[in-house]
Amino acid sequence: SQQGEEDPQALSIQEGENATMNCSYKTSINNLQWYRQNSGRGLVHLILIRSNEREKHSGRLRVTLDTSKKSSSLLITASRAADTASYFCATPSRGIIQGAQKLVFGQGTRLTINP
Amino acid sequence: DAGVIQSPRHEVTEMGQEVTLRCKPISGHDYLFWYRQTMMRGLELLIYFNNNVPIDDSGMPEDRFSAKMPNASFSTLKIQPSEPRDSAVYFCASSLGQGNEKLFFGSGTQLSVL
Repeated sequence: SQQGEEDPQALSIQEGENATMNCSYKTSINNLQWYRQNSGRGLVHLILIRSNEREKHSGRLRVTLDTSKKSSSLLITASRAADTASYFCATPSRGIIQGAQKLVFGQGTRLTINP
Repeated sequence: DAGVIQSPRHEVTEMGQEVTLRCKPISGHDYLFWYRQTMMRGLELLIYFNNNVPIDDSGMPEDRFSAKMPNASFSTLKIQPSEPRDSAVYFCASSLGQGNEKLFFGSGTQLSVL
């Protein structure tokens, strides 16, 4: 079952600008993760934010989490051509075994940075 | 560590043939996941293992799909018989600790069934 949904589906900006991507989810979570996927490659983990955190930074990345609105945002500052990729949010979803959780991914935002 | 290793990188086969995809997780990781990615359906979880035991296979599309993990360093995903609609990129991922923590993905297997 789809848990997180990213918005927008596609985003194209100029190099140096900031890029913001949003993720909404449906049920209570204990963490939310963001991943990047370059064309033809596997997903790479960027950042994990826990439900008791509101904001987290990693280099040029800033992630916020609003559990009351069930939403998260990923901000990439001073974008570079190398940031061109698809970005996915992932949230835990209960599986068929009680107590077990699995990670479910949204459809992703396709980010293009124009030089 | 070399990361999660998947083979083959590309597989082209004809409808009806058996396909076996392979995965070597990161040493010490006790969770292993198989995902499938298509344009239409995005990234879908097929099955995952904890300590070599299948925990949730509710995402396996049908009986043609099977997965095994005979030991902590090897897993296979088999499709028999394969169909054109199975064409997708299949990813293996592993994680340390709980199944909802940070995942490390392999480079994927691009499967084309003609």
